[in-house]
Amino acid sequence: AQRVTQPEKLLSVFKGAPVELKCNYSYSGSPELFWYVQYSRQRLQLLLRHISRESIKGFTADLNKGETSFHLKKPFAQEEDSAMYYCALRRWNTDKLIFGTGTRLQVFP
Amino acid sequence: DTAVSQTPKYLVTQMGNDKSIKCEQNLGHDTMYWYKQDSKKFLKIMFSYNNKELIINETVPNRFSPKSPDKAHLNLHINSLELGDSAVYFCASSHSFADEQFFGPGTRLTVL
Repeated sequence: AQRVTQPEKLLSVFKGAPVELKCNYSYSGSPELFWYVQYSRQRLQLLLRHISRESIKGFTADLNKGETSFHLKKPFAQEEDSAMYYCALRRWNTDKLIFGTGTRLQVFP
Repeated sequence: DTAVSQTPKYLVTQMGNDKSIKCEQNLGHDTMYWYKQDSKKFLKIMFSYNNKELIINETVPNRFSPKSPDKAHLNLHINSLELGDSAVYFCASSHSFADEQFFGPGTRLTVL
């Protein structure tokens, strides 16, 4: 069965510090991996997806098939990055998104 | 011009009642979804519909019945509400079943 694991419930950093939100998955086929973000009192929205290989709001994530990971990174955290972050997996050519349990990122001034 | 909207935003009700949550999207998408986010923020898919046809039904109690009158709407009806149904319910839509999903603002259901 497919599974997405985000080991950290809460990650607290100071502004300007590097951030890495961990995501590991289990799936034997070719997955699509995503990061979704939910800012306070806002709806869940797509942050980035591995196939686009782009940087959004300074965040990047690289799919590492060997380690089955898709960690989200940002070199210098900002206070406005404080939010709930969800890693999600989708089996190739299906519509079912499987979410991790989420990591709350708190960035202190 | 909200893309995916849900009503109501908050719903407080007694155990045993029947309630509905409505979802509408004006994006012209073919696929719509319902997700449940529990108190621990765990987000899990419940249903997906493509062109008004049920595609995914994730071991959800049959007290939950989605209804799609047309492609732009996917309503969630819940019978005999239980305490454990308290959660935030998110609607989402996508152009087709493998495209990016756009989420609604959520409906916070509290069962007393």
